[in-house]
Amino acid sequence: GAGVSQSPSNKVTEKGKDVELRCDPISGHTALYWYRQSLGQGLEFLIYFQGNSAPDKSGLPSDRFSAERTGGSVSTLTIQRTQQEDSAVYLCASSLEAGLAYMGYGYTFGSGTRLTVV
Amino acid sequence: DQQVKQNSPSLSVQEGRISILNCDYTNSMFDYFLWYKKYPAEGPTFLISISSIKDKNEDGRFTVFLNKSAKHLSLHIVPSQPGDSAVYFCAARASGYALNFGKGTSLLVTP
Repeated sequence: GAGVSQSPSNKVTEKGKDVELRCDPISGHTALYWYRQSLGQGLEFLIYFQGNSAPDKSGLPSDRFSAERTGGSVSTLTIQRTQQEDSAVYLCASSLEAGLAYMGYGYTFGSGTRLTVV
Repeated sequence: DQQVKQNSPSLSVQEGRISILNCDYTNSMFDYFLWYKKYPAEGPTFLISISSIKDKNEDGRFTVFLNKSAKHLSLHIVPSQPGDSAVYFCAARASGYALNFGKGTSLLVTP
């Protein structure tokens, strides 16, 4: 597609329920990243995928969070047993390859999924 | 701990004047710095970057300055236009592929 697509754009869920957030990166982009932005905060790194390599999960805040990337394309971020502190905008980004993300290219971000846990 | 700090949550500038957005960092291992611009209900958009081996990078109306000794960078927008009104995020990379972001500065350019 033309850009990074995320769905749903908004999600309201009850505390304790599981949620799945989807990211469809730009075709041909091998690197995919998940970030989240809580209210009044900067973007916080969650996880990174590069091709078929093992993902960098160093930013996941707890074992309730997991992500997978099937076929090197679409990614799903799953939050189990959601808590109110999980409320945030979850942003997905992709880049041609990770090494180019800094040398004048940056990431391309999606519009995000606004998650509200009530 | 916040390694990238944008201490001004907001800035208002008149159209045609210079906008200067500031960013401070604490980690001397950062090797790339980037600026992103974000409109409401949209994802951040990459604006400009600079390597730690340089002190200036220019792209049209946008210039980023890096002062490594002060651990400070700034984004200059000249001349400012109403369409520049957005939230600007400073970001930096230390290692791996994660970026550290500041909390953002909301820029308002008034006619």
